[in-house]
Amino acid sequence: ETGVTQTPRHLVMGMTNKKSLKCEQHLGHNAMYWYKQSAKKPLELMFVYSLEERVENNSVPSRFSPECPNSSHLFLHLHTLQPEDSALYLCASSFGTGGYEQYFGPGTRLTVT
Amino acid sequence: RKEVEQDPGPFNVPEGATVAFNCTYSNSASQSFFWYRQDCRKEPKLLMSVYSSGNEDGRFTAQLNRASQYISLLIRDSKLSDSATYLCVVNAGSQGNLIFGKGTKLSVKP
Repeated sequence: ETGVTQTPRHLVMGMTNKKSLKCEQHLGHNAMYWYKQSAKKPLELMFVYSLEERVENNSVPSRFSPECPNSSHLFLHLHTLQPEDSALYLCASSFGTGGYEQYFGPGTRLTVT
Repeated sequence: RKEVEQDPGPFNVPEGATVAFNCTYSNSASQSFFWYRQDCRKEPKLLMSVYSSGNEDGRFTAQLNRASQYISLLIRDSKLSDSATYLCVVNAGSQGNLIFGKGTKLSVKP
């Protein structure tokens, strides 16, 4: 399935590194999302973009910085992360915000050492 | 009351069994309801939407009870491949974003 793609699939980074996660959707959707999923925890919504505008930021620390250059691409820039930031980071897209069903990418499994 | 609440399980059932999951939600203004399936270390995938009139897709039946604010998922004739975590998803109010439950783990045994 190639509806929503994410790169890289796995990432190991030190606490002083800077890295970026990339997401691309090929579904013609207008909304994109970043979620964090830690072990044995539910999905946590981080950011919501609608038509390239950030519409929601769920009290996410500033060491996570999203970027949405167009409706098909979404980035998550990472810097000075902590070990507790190790998790699966999932990107999703939907036709619009609100109650539309969301389609997820395969995720980036991030380990912070 | 949590926004979306599910029994975490695990539900261990033999092949061919019928199993049912329930989910309760707290926001009476919610309008969108879904079941997602998530395999171990994979992304969630949409299983089915849940409509007020109830809906069926093969061996899967979903129902919504607005008065009691719960959603159910029934799986008939369970297969080994049904083993996964099932996520109940509700939107936060009439226009709110989706809220994912913690999931109910199902394990189907031979």
